[in-house]
Formats: sequence, C-alpha cells, structure tokens
Amino acid sequence: SQTIHQWPATLVQPVGSPLSLECTVEGTSNPNLYWYRQAAGRGLQLLFYSVGIGQISSEVPQNLSASRPQDRQFILSSKKLLLSDSGFYLCAWSQGQGGYEQYFGPGTRLTVT
Amino acid sequence: KQEVTQIPAALSVPEGENLVLNCSFTDSAIYNLQWFRQDPGKGLTSLLLIQSSQREQTSGRLNASLDKSSGRSTLYIAASQPGDSATYLCAVRRNQFYFGTGTSLTVIP
Repeated sequence: SQTIHQWPATLVQPVGSPLSLECTVEGTSNPNLYWYRQAAGRGLQLLFYSVGIGQISSEVPQNLSASRPQDRQFILSSKKLLLSDSGFYLCAWSQGQGGYEQYFGPGTRLTVT
Repeated sequence: KQEVTQIPAALSVPEGENLVLNCSFTDSAIYNLQWFRQDPGKGLTSLLLIQSSQREQTSGRLNASLDKSSGRSTLYIAASQPGDSATYLCAVRRNQFYFGTGTSLTVIP
C-alpha cells in the first residue's frame, strides 16, 4: 500500500532563517506531487506541483521554492522566512493526470516568529 | 478560474441526526470531485471520490452525490456520531485540485 511521510511535524523558526520541509511517498512510482499551505481559517492554497523528477510548477509567486531530486521525494524550501510563511504545510500525491484520487500526508505546522 | 464554495461554514447537530453538507463549483469541466475529512492539526483523509461520469458514491454511512451540470455536490452523513466531528472539505479536479474552505461539523453527544 502507499504511504506518504512528512517531516518535521512541527517547526518554529525565526524570521529570516532558512526552511526545508521534506515529503516522501512509498509504494508507488512516478506520482504527481503537490505542496499546499493552509493558513488559519482559510482553504488550501496550492503552492507547487510536480509531474516528474526536476519538473516543478509554481502556482503562487513567493519566497518559497520546491525541488524533486528523486521520483518520490519532494522538498519545500526557503532562503529567508517571512512571518506570513506561517501555516500548515501539506504534501499530497496522486497517480497521474485525470480522474485519480489525491492522498495527503500528515502535515507540518510551521510557526515563524 | 475554478471556485469552490462550501455551505454552511459551520454546523452543529445532536448525535443521531442525518445531515447534508453542500459543495458548489463554478466550472463544470471537471475530472472528479473528492470529499475529505480533516481533524484538527492533521492532514486530509479521503472519504469519497466521484468521477465526472458518476452520480453518486457510497461508503458506510456516507453518501456523496454529484450534479456536474449544476455545479453541485452533497455529502450525506447518516446517523451522525460524535466521532464524525471534523472539518469536511470538497475538492474538484481539472488540471489541478481546487478546494473549498470546508464545513466544520460538531456532533453533540
């Protein structure tokens, strides 16, 4: 069966510090991978998605970036965090395009102080 | 751009009641619609997936319907239980997934 992991679970970082969040998927190959942010009281905002290694599409211009160094690994990064980067970050995967289901990881709670 | 709306934003019901959550979307050109459950501080758990060619899907006490032409879906929960308390989100997929802001459900024992 497929499993999706995210770490760390919680993170408290000062403004201006770097960020690296990691997501890995097990039990599938060549998944589509997604990073979402969920701010308090708001819906999910799609940040990045990837259809393959090294292929990253950005939905929202910001100081975040994403990379996919391996087929089942997706990394969200920032060189300098802003207060507005605080939120709940969720990684998700689906099998290809079309009518496939999307599955989510447990999330990372990021607080920028 | 696809917009997804969920009404009501919050709902409180006594245990045992049947209830309906609503989801509407503006662009009917979708591949599928998915209902999720989110517990506080947790990720999203998939409940039901309805393909664009389907009218409804059922899983246990849950039944989801889809009327693509009118841009609407409903999630019916039968005989609600306190363990059903959570936020319920719907998402529609075309090239990407578009999410509603959710309905926060509280089932009172």
